[in-house]
Amino acid sequence: GNSVTQMEGPVTLSEEAFLTINCTYTATGYPSLFWYVQYPGEGLQLLLKATKADDKGSNKGFEATYRKETTSFHLEKGSVQVSDSAVYFCALSDPSEDSSYKLIFGSGTRLLVRP
Amino acid sequence: DSGVTQTPKHLITATGQRVTLRCSPRSGDLSVYWYQQSLDQGLQFLIQYYNGEERAKGNILERFSAQQFPDLHSELNLSSLELGDSALYFCASSATINSEQYFGPGTRLTVT
Repeated sequence: GNSVTQMEGPVTLSEEAFLTINCTYTATGYPSLFWYVQYPGEGLQLLLKATKADDKGSNKGFEATYRKETTSFHLEKGSVQVSDSAVYFCALSDPSEDSSYKLIFGSGTRLLVRP
Repeated sequence: DSGVTQTPKHLITATGQRVTLRCSPRSGDLSVYWYQQSLDQGLQFLIQYYNGEERAKGNILERFSAQQFPDLHSELNLSSLELGDSALYFCASSATINSEQYFGPGTRLTVT
């Protein structure tokens, strides 16, 4: 079945450091890939997405490239801010299994950015 | 603010009880998804409705049921509650079956 694996957290960085959060997936068909962010006490917000191989999603300085050959969708940001502290979830949607566009999530990675 | 509303925000109840969680999708969205977020299971898909009809089912327990009403709001009913049902329950809505999902703020359920 479809699944998403992302790196264990927490990831602790100093402000302005480079961020990478690894995400790999297993899918039956050709999934769409997403990164969601959850700030403390809030719901999930879509950060970025990519719908086909080699697509790059980007938003608010974050980027991720859909790599079919390595089944990966790693999240990167060149210079993190304290306000980026949150939990980041990698997810996929693959309707080839059951015609549903439900999201399958990774376990989440907590990012803590220190001033 | 995603435009998806969920009530109540918090719910504390005892084992064996029954509760109803409510979700109002974004204006115009036809599809509603329910997800459960717990410490041991992570974020898991429960069920999806589209324009009033059940569209897909995930790992939803038989003690749980849901429906989507003609005005497109949805309710998730949880019965015979157990301690392990304590979790955050999120609703998400999308305009069509395959469009972007927008999440509500969640309902935190605590079963004591």
